[in-house]
Amino acid sequence: QVQLVQSGAEVKKPGSSVKVSCKASGGTFSRNDINWVRQAPGQGLEWMGGLVPILGTANYAQKFQGRISITADESTSTAYMELTSLRSADTAVYYCARAVGPTISLDNWGQGTLVTVSS
Amino acid sequence: DIQMTQSPSSLSASVGDRVTITCRASQSISSYLNWYQQRPGQAPNLLIYGASSLQGGAPSRVSGSGSGTDFTLTISSLQPEDFATYYCQQTYSFPPTFGPGTKVDI
Repeated sequence: QVQLVQSGAEVKKPGSSVKVSCKASGGTFSRNDINWVRQAPGQGLEWMGGLVPILGTANYAQKFQGRISITADESTSTAYMELTSLRSADTAVYYCARAVGPTISLDNWGQGTLVTVSS
Repeated sequence: DIQMTQSPSSLSASVGDRVTITCRASQSISSYLNWYQQRPGQAPNLLIYGASSLQGGAPSRVSGSGSGTDFTLTISSLQPEDFATYYCQQTYSFPPTFGPGTKVDI
């Protein structure tokens, strides 16, 4: 069973960047498909992108293209999501989650990281 | 992108009630449909994958059905821990998209 533990809450200024980490324990990290999903306050879930470390290529939702980077450090079993040019609309809880199987279901989730963008 | 809709957006129910939530896709997604439960302040939790397969650890009172564009999530006898928001998600086409959620409260 994979456990995902995320970094702590962040407060950022508009125009800055944030990098959220997601450390995995259990399982084979490099073969895990780690996805990132965010949830604005009181809103629904929004898929942002994903990466299988052993494949090395990330896929991103068009909405975030040019502002998002998902990477992984296999030596520490940690995935990262960096979002740049932050605006107030990026205030949200950011989750990492493992995708499995042919239906690419998200079966293990991190606890979430609140990112607040405010001047 | 494939658009997902859910109905109702919210419902009130009592312990022991049978509850059904509907999810509709803007185009056929075969059975590439997952259901998640999210309790307040918690991360989502996978309940159903592939439209009808129960995730390990999910209660047997939960079931899913459907294929193509129309899907349902049914809770046969609502328990106190089932009061939460439920989301469907399609993974047939990139990017994966979620429905807007259905809040189940007392």
